[in-house]
Amino acid sequence: DTGVSQDPRHKITKRGQNVTFRCDPISEHNRLYWYRQTLGQGPEFLTYFQNEAQLEKSRLLSDRFSAERPKGSFSTLEIQRTEQGDSAMYLCASSSAQGSYIEQFFGPGTRLTVL
Amino acid sequence: QKEVEQNSGPLSVPEGAIASLNCTYSDRGSQSFFWYRQYSGKSPELIMFIYSNGDKEDGRFTAQLNKASQYVSLLIRDSQPSDSATYLCAVNRDTGGFKTIFGAGTRLFVKA
Repeated sequence: DTGVSQDPRHKITKRGQNVTFRCDPISEHNRLYWYRQTLGQGPEFLTYFQNEAQLEKSRLLSDRFSAERPKGSFSTLEIQRTEQGDSAMYLCASSSAQGSYIEQFFGPGTRLTVL
Repeated sequence: QKEVEQNSGPLSVPEGAIASLNCTYSDRGSQSFFWYRQYSGKSPELIMFIYSNGDKEDGRFTAQLNKASQYVSLLIRDSQPSDSATYLCAVNRDTGGFKTIFGAGTRLFVKA
């Protein structure tokens, strides 16, 4: 499978626990994005990496959220001290810097439920 | 005011009809515009992009852009039941594709 993969696909946790999600982009893509999507809404931009550099971070990303892409390949998104409001689908997407436009390819997402 | 606004629908059209989906955006500096389709429980997939004013056609899909009116639309001709999905309008401030702002989406139902 050469698409974007995310792990786990589902995560149920108790309020206050820390969770970490992983995203593996398409191998030749140097750009990686994290989004959060709640029911009935479009994806909300969280953060963006070009290679290993985190170039932009949304104000939506509170101090409890952190993302890394240490070697410019896979990325992790960690949420500390989870709250019920963090329950959502967390989507990862990747794109290539080549070409005249930027198409983002989305992974299947990680659905987080905070009890 | 939301940065990207769409009518949430649902929009219901009979099979074979033209479905018209609309989107407005608030940032006049926006440069690139995308339409994504999202089936229930699935991730968004890109179906059209447009950068310049006017129409862009790809098969049964036509994207229309009017930067002066800050308006983007998607027309789906000969609608099929398989087109039933949520259509997300997305906007970038530049063509570099960095920070993409999505609308909430319009749900489309195509009745057989």
